Amino acid sequence: DTAVSQTPKYLVTQMGNDKSIKCEQNLGHDTMYWYKQDSKKFLKIMFSYNNKELIINETVPNRFSPKSPDKAHLNLHINSLELGDSAVYFCASSQKGAGNQPQHFGDGTRLSIL
Amino acid sequence: GDSVTQMEGPVTLSEEAFLTINCTYTATGYPSLFWYVQYPGEGLQLLLKATKADDKGSNKGFEATYRKETTSFHLEKGSVQVSDSAVYFCALKGSGNTGKLIFGQGTTLQVKP
Repeated sequence: DTAVSQTPKYLVTQMGNDKSIKCEQNLGHDTMYWYKQDSKKFLKIMFSYNNKELIINETVPNRFSPKSPDKAHLNLHINSLELGDSAVYFCASSQKGAGNQPQHFGDGTRLSIL
Repeated sequence: GDSVTQMEGPVTLSEEAFLTINCTYTATGYPSLFWYVQYPGEGLQLLLKATKADDKGSNKGFEATYRKETTSFHLEKGSVQVSDSAVYFCALKGSGNTGKLIFGQGTTLQVKP
C-alpha cells in the first residue's frame, strides 16, 4: 500500500563505512528525488532523476552516488561516511509535466554516524 | 536564486487558539506554493497548495492564500487541536521544469490542551 517506501528506516554506522539507502515508489511517477534534512529540520534537495536520467545534482560531495535502475527505484550510496552525513534522508516522487502535482515523500531514513 | 523564509519557531498555542505561520518567498517567474506538514517520526505530507496568484489552498481547516503583491503564503487555522502539533514547511516549486522544491526552514507548532 505504501506509496514511497525507503529502507532502512534507521541506519547507525561508523565513520569511514560505505552504506546504501533504497527507495521505491508504486505511484507510477517518472521523477524521484533525494532530500537531506539536517538536525535543525532544514530540508535541501540533493538529487533528482527523471526516467533514470539525472536532472538535478546540487553541490553534493561525490561520496554520494545515486543510482536509478528503473523509474520506480532511486537508491543512494554513500562512501566513506563522515560525521556531517548524520541526517534524515527523504526520498520523494512526482510526475513531471503533470501540472503542479505535489511530490510524495517517504518516511525518511535516519542516518547516525558514530 | 529562489528562496523561502518562514517565521521562527517554536510556536506554542493552547487548543482552539488561532494559528498563523508566516511564509514569504523570492522567486523569478510564477512559482507554485505548498505547505507540507511533518508529524513526529514521519515523512512530509502535502497539506495544501496554490498554483497562481490569489488562489487559496485549503485542507483540514488550514488555509493559505497566494499573495503575489506581498510574495507571501501565510498558513492559518481558526482553531488548532493537540493533533496539529507538528513541523510545518512552506515550499515553492519554481517555473523551471526540474520539479525541485525549495523549502523554508520549518516551523514547529506545539498545541497544549
